[in-house]
Amino acid sequence: GENVEQHPSTLSVQEGDSAVIKCTYSDSASNYFPWYKQELGKRPQLIIDIRSNVGEKKDQRIAVTLNKTAKHFSLHITETQPEDSAVYFCAASSQGGKLIFGQGTELSVKP
Amino acid sequence: EAQVTQNPRYLITVTGKKLTVTCSQNMNHEYMSWYRQDPGLGLRQIYYSMNVEVTDKGDVPEGYKVSRKEKRNFPLILESPSPNQTSLYFCASTLSRNTDTQYFGPGTRLTVL
Repeated sequence: GENVEQHPSTLSVQEGDSAVIKCTYSDSASNYFPWYKQELGKRPQLIIDIRSNVGEKKDQRIAVTLNKTAKHFSLHITETQPEDSAVYFCAASSQGGKLIFGQGTELSVKP
Repeated sequence: EAQVTQNPRYLITVTGKKLTVTCSQNMNHEYMSWYRQDPGLGLRQIYYSMNVEVTDKGDVPEGYKVSRKEKRNFPLILESPSPNQTSLYFCASTLSRNTDTQYFGPGTRLTVL
């Protein structure tokens, strides 16, 4: 069936460094790729998304890139800050109407 | 205020005792989902509904039921809960389809003894 693999599962960076989280998906019909941030004890919230007709999208310090041929997409956070510490989830839409999430990456930004 | 609400927020129950977790949204969204979140497994979709009276299975539907009699409500029913259904559950809604922004409820922490 459809699945989304996310790596790494944990990531620790120094404040000010960049962080990259990668996801691969299996359904070639997927056309929507959101990223969600979940702070401790809170609900997931959308931080950025990209659709299959776009290769890259940026919003201030965060950016997402998509390679449809290779079926992978990545989240890039530059100039990380302690408040970026959270669990990040990627997801991919499926043709049948589902949204498939990755396993999550716990990002820790050390001051 | 636009929001998704869930009740209860916390529940401890015993094996076999039927329970319902309610979910309600006030944004007139057509698409609603239920997810369970488990460590190392991410968010897994249980069921989703594209509109009133239209529901479909997600990736882990076994042991769960849903209904969508009204647009705003999408309850999750566990007819005979088992310990492997101990998890954190999230309801979510989107405007019209799975490719719109998902708005999550606050979560329900369920423990089945």
